[in-house]
Amino acid sequence: DTAVSQTPKYLVTQMGNDKSIKCEQNLGHDTMYWYKQDSKKFLKIMFSYNNKELIINETVPNRFSPKSPDKAHLNLHINSLELGDSAVYFCASSQGLAGPNEQFFGPGTRLTVL
Amino acid sequence: GNSVTQMEGPVTLSEEAFLTINCTYTATGYPSLFWYVQYPGEGLQLLLKATKADDKGSNKGFEATYRKETTSFHLEKGSVQVSDSAVYFCALSDVTRDGANSKLTFGKGITLSVRP
Repeated sequence: DTAVSQTPKYLVTQMGNDKSIKCEQNLGHDTMYWYKQDSKKFLKIMFSYNNKELIINETVPNRFSPKSPDKAHLNLHINSLELGDSAVYFCASSQGLAGPNEQFFGPGTRLTVL
Repeated sequence: GNSVTQMEGPVTLSEEAFLTINCTYTATGYPSLFWYVQYPGEGLQLLLKATKADDKGSNKGFEATYRKETTSFHLEKGSVQVSDSAVYFCALSDVTRDGANSKLTFGKGITLSVRP
């Protein structure tokens, strides 16, 4: 059973389009995250939700909008895609806020904007 | 703010060689420290962690000791295998009451390639 799953695994789209990435975790965790990994492998947090409430919103363009319908899901919607949005996006979850808690990562979604 | 500095990579070693990957940090409060590993085409997974000074985390032959005096958390393995080829990330997480800064801050990652 996959603990943290993301769909789709690959996403290729044109500039200006709107797209969504879905994330689900079956670990019963309270906290979920979205990270962006650039071409140099640098990993940066974008958002964090705890019990469906937004906890962390890093300096991310408001074209990115996370939505958490319930504790097990955290979806990422991106409007008006730009070339610079091309990256691998990882969803993660943890039991409670970060602190000493292990984060479990999904397999990633590779987004390519043409 | 918090930050994590890892040594520059990539690193290429022969099988059975000794591995050290340096990691230093700056943080407010009392952070927990982590090493995450990313195998090709996969997401990150926790390799080991330490939550207070002088703790040693260990897993799969890898070890790292939380050194508060030198603000370091260097990763070591006595004998690497080809299967250890991956990207290794050092990270820290501050423990705060309100959760506002309760997030992982990652280093830039270092690619390790192990030759047979």
